[in-house]
Amino acid sequence: DAGITQSPRHKVTETGTPVTLRCHQTENHRYMYWYRQDPGHGLRLIHYSYGVKDTDKGEVSDGYSVSRSKTEDFLLTLESATSSQTSVYFCAVTAQSSGNTIYFGEGSWLTVV
Amino acid sequence: SQQGEEDPQALSIQEGENATMNCSYKTSINNLQWYRQNSGRGLVHLILIRSNEREKHSGRLRVTLDTSKKSSSLLITASRAADTASYFCATDAISDYKLSFGAGTTVTVRA
Repeated sequence: DAGITQSPRHKVTETGTPVTLRCHQTENHRYMYWYRQDPGHGLRLIHYSYGVKDTDKGEVSDGYSVSRSKTEDFLLTLESATSSQTSVYFCAVTAQSSGNTIYFGEGSWLTVV
Repeated sequence: SQQGEEDPQALSIQEGENATMNCSYKTSINNLQWYRQNSGRGLVHLILIRSNEREKHSGRLRVTLDTSKKSSSLLITASRAADTASYFCATDAISDYKLSFGAGTTVTVRA
């Protein structure tokens, strides 16, 4: 446990609505990540952050934006949710003190109807 | 695209038997890590092996790394019902803090 809390843990939303998922960490980790997990695809990186206001795209960033205004919070926004964004979203942090081990939150289950 | 690919996709064994799964990757790496995911939960870090290491042990886990073949294996000895989970390998490319994951191996341990 690297002090990661995701919210909400479960959400059902309608197509076309914006959705924001929050990741909060308490251990001052510099690197934070958002992944999505879908059957047959494993985990795919959406966006990541290497510091406050420093973010970059991962391999599946279309339709998503992120913000990191302070070290402890990394927000993932679905600007206009689509059914293809129904997934489980995991936030993660890198513990550089552990040789770049990544620690994951418990996940946020999002259903877009 | 996925850097790591696990094999087999699924594995069913009897309690007490050993479970072996493999991971292949495409580009040079700093480290390779193995994670476990129980159903409905997040991923839990199991073990990290650096590119200059060939074998590593942690309890009932044994990980090998062959950088010439770009492959790794995870062995779970004397399996227990609690080992039922999906197992993922993850690699980080040189000069990169991003991890790339495979699709995982689902292990079922029968009592």
